[in-house]
Amino acid sequence: GESVGLHLPTLSVQEGDNSIINCAYSNSASDYFIWYKQESGKGPQFIIDIRSNMDKRQGQRVTVLLNKTVKHLSLQIAATQPGDSAVYFCAEISSDNNDMRFGAGTRLTVKP
Amino acid sequence: DTGVSQNPRHKITKRGQNVTFRCDPISEHNRLYWYRQTLGQGPEFLTYFQNEAQLEKSRLLSDRFSAERPKGSFSTLEIQRTEQGDSAMYLCAGTGGSRGYEQYFGPGTRLTVT
Repeated sequence: GESVGLHLPTLSVQEGDNSIINCAYSNSASDYFIWYKQESGKGPQFIIDIRSNMDKRQGQRVTVLLNKTVKHLSLQIAATQPGDSAVYFCAEISSDNNDMRFGAGTRLTVKP
Repeated sequence: DTGVSQNPRHKITKRGQNVTFRCDPISEHNRLYWYRQTLGQGPEFLTYFQNEAQLEKSRLLSDRFSAERPKGSFSTLEIQRTEQGDSAMYLCAGTGGSRGYEQYFGPGTRLTVT
């Protein structure tokens, strides 16, 4: 399953499928990007990050892709599990001012 | 558990009252951020400290809001004369030290203004 981020804030996938969550960022000067997972009633939790000099980074079951040309970021979750159900936010940081700006988020629901 | 704590976790107050929240980051966090989050939205930046110095404040931080980090460790966020529109989750995050830009969030303080 795939979302288009801000325009489709919910994504529903079957357990075991791969998920793709998209994000369009706004500041071309941003040089560091983070994906956060937020479960209900909790603060955002770091998932994976990527610097602007990279276009792909892999973690455990997660991959982040960065396309600076179109200012697009995506999070791929392999073999999605019920515990992955949460809201996912992308965040961009410019090292000029250390401000971190969040996107609106995508709610991922994993159906058993 | 990120090691960042916030107190209280929940606060219900009447409009017009003052409230104060506290954030305790871990010791190596030389930078501390405050955010506000409303339902269904991403966290919105409020203000940021480098050690004890408040380096930036968002336009969202009206003159009713004040934040301090007196010794470069814990921080407080005070809201004076609360309004119903102040109802939100207030998050703090620490960063710095060996982890660079990665921000460690506390569990947040949920404020309800009645």
